[in-house]
Amino acid sequence: DTEVTQTPKHLVMGMTNKKSLKCEQHMGHRAMYWYKQKAKKPPELMFVYSYEKLSINESVPSRFSPECPNSSLLNLHLHALQPEDSALYLCASSQDLGLDGSGNTGELFFGEGSRLTVL
Amino acid sequence: DAKTTQPPSMDCAEGRAANLPCNHSTISGNEYVYWYRQIHSQGPQYIIHGLKNNETNEMASLIITEDRKSSTLILPHATLRDTAVYYCIVRVAIIKAAGNKLTFGGGTRVLVKP
Repeated sequence: DTEVTQTPKHLVMGMTNKKSLKCEQHMGHRAMYWYKQKAKKPPELMFVYSYEKLSINESVPSRFSPECPNSSLLNLHLHALQPEDSALYLCASSQDLGLDGSGNTGELFFGEGSRLTVL
Repeated sequence: DAKTTQPPSMDCAEGRAANLPCNHSTISGNEYVYWYRQIHSQGPQYIIHGLKNNETNEMASLIITEDRKSSTLILPHATLRDTAVYYCIVRVAIIKAAGNKLTFGGGTRVLVKP
C-alpha cells in the first residue's frame, strides 16, 4: 500500500464554520506534511510532523490547526477561514530517515488533495 | 535550500525525448537534486533524485553537470500522459526528526503533443 488517502475530496465551508481535513497513510512513514496549493501556483509547505510531533510550522495563521493523533493519521482543523484560504490542500508522508545509503530516497508520497472553498 | 530556475513551459512531441533543464547555481555540496511532477488535479509524484552522479530509473534519467550548477531531466519517450508540471527541487539531506522540507519552485509546464 503506497497510498496517502485524503478526505474529503471537496469541502465548501462558510467563514464561521469549523471543519477538518483528514489524511491517512499505512506505509509506516513517520513524517507527515500539509501543503497548500493555489491555482496555477506550486505547493507551499504549511506544517511538518515528525514522529507525531510538530517539527515545522511555516508561520501559518492560527485559523489552521494541525493534529497528528498517531503515526498514520494527520488532521488539519479549520476555523474562521477567509475566502482567500480557498485552495487545494495536499497531504504527504515520508520515511523521515537520513539519506544515509539505507535505500531511503527521501521521497514524499502525496495524496490527491482536498479542494477547499470558503464562502 | 538553494533556489532553482526552470523555463515556465515547453512543448514536446509524443514519442520523442523530452529534456527539461534546471539551473541551481547556488547549490551546496550537501544538497540533492529532486524532480517531481504534478499531473492536473493530482498530487505531486516523485520522479528521481541525485547528488553528483547521473541517475536513471524506470521513469526518467537525471543528468547533473560536473559543477552541479545545473541538471537535466530526460523523459526518454514522452507520452501524452507525461503532460504535467515538472518541479526541480534542491534540498539538504534530511536532518533526523525534522522531516523533509521540500520547497517547490515555479516548475515547467510540459505539454506533450501528438
